[in-house]
Amino acid sequence: EAGVTQSPRYAVLQEGQAVSFWCDPISGHDTLYWYQQPRDQGPQLLVYFRDEAVIDNSQLPSDRFSAVRPKGTNSTLKIQSAKQGDTATYLCASSFWESDYTFGSGTRLLVI
Amino acid sequence: QQKVQQSPESLTVSEGAMASLNCTFSDGTSNNFRWYRQHSAKGLEVLVSIFSDGEKEEGRFTAHLNRANLHVSLHIREPQPSDSAVYLCAVSMYSNYQLIWGSGTKLIIKP
Repeated sequence: EAGVTQSPRYAVLQEGQAVSFWCDPISGHDTLYWYQQPRDQGPQLLVYFRDEAVIDNSQLPSDRFSAVRPKGTNSTLKIQSAKQGDTATYLCASSFWESDYTFGSGTRLLVI
Repeated sequence: QQKVQQSPESLTVSEGAMASLNCTFSDGTSNNFRWYRQHSAKGLEVLVSIFSDGEKEEGRFTAHLNRANLHVSLHIREPQPSDSAVYLCAVSMYSNYQLIWGSGTKLIIKP
């Protein structure tokens, strides 16, 4: 069974540039999560979806970050105007039950 | 709001000696408790998931949960240099399965 797939693996940007991250969850998983993990810290939830609906985006910096999951399958997280403070690994996870929570390998973003 | 703290921040253990990591949380009604391992530039690998008070073993990894003391620990038996990584504790919330994370323990296993 395929796992959670994320792309790209790495991204390097200058401040002010835009970037999009893509996530393909495990087939059948209705819930999809995006986490931000700064260096030497634990992941922090940015947003999560159940099917195509946003359930909680309270931790998403809405002025520059956006996330969509239009058909309830794949998802895209976009940063409009990146800042150095956005440097982190962005992790996608999906689940149907609590027990099958699965992470992708992440996208490492460096903003210079 | 659930808060999760891990200790120590870093730990160096000789190969073959037991390694013990700690995690405290603020809300004992959480759903599930997990230990993950994260090697540099790699994804998160779940090691042990525990729901009930007591002990759960998965190979060389054993988790101990005590909800009354708001504490869960991870013990690694016969650690090897390849076990050197960051170990993260995560607490799952009943309401939405959201994971609340500690900041990690950096474990170094010396040959």
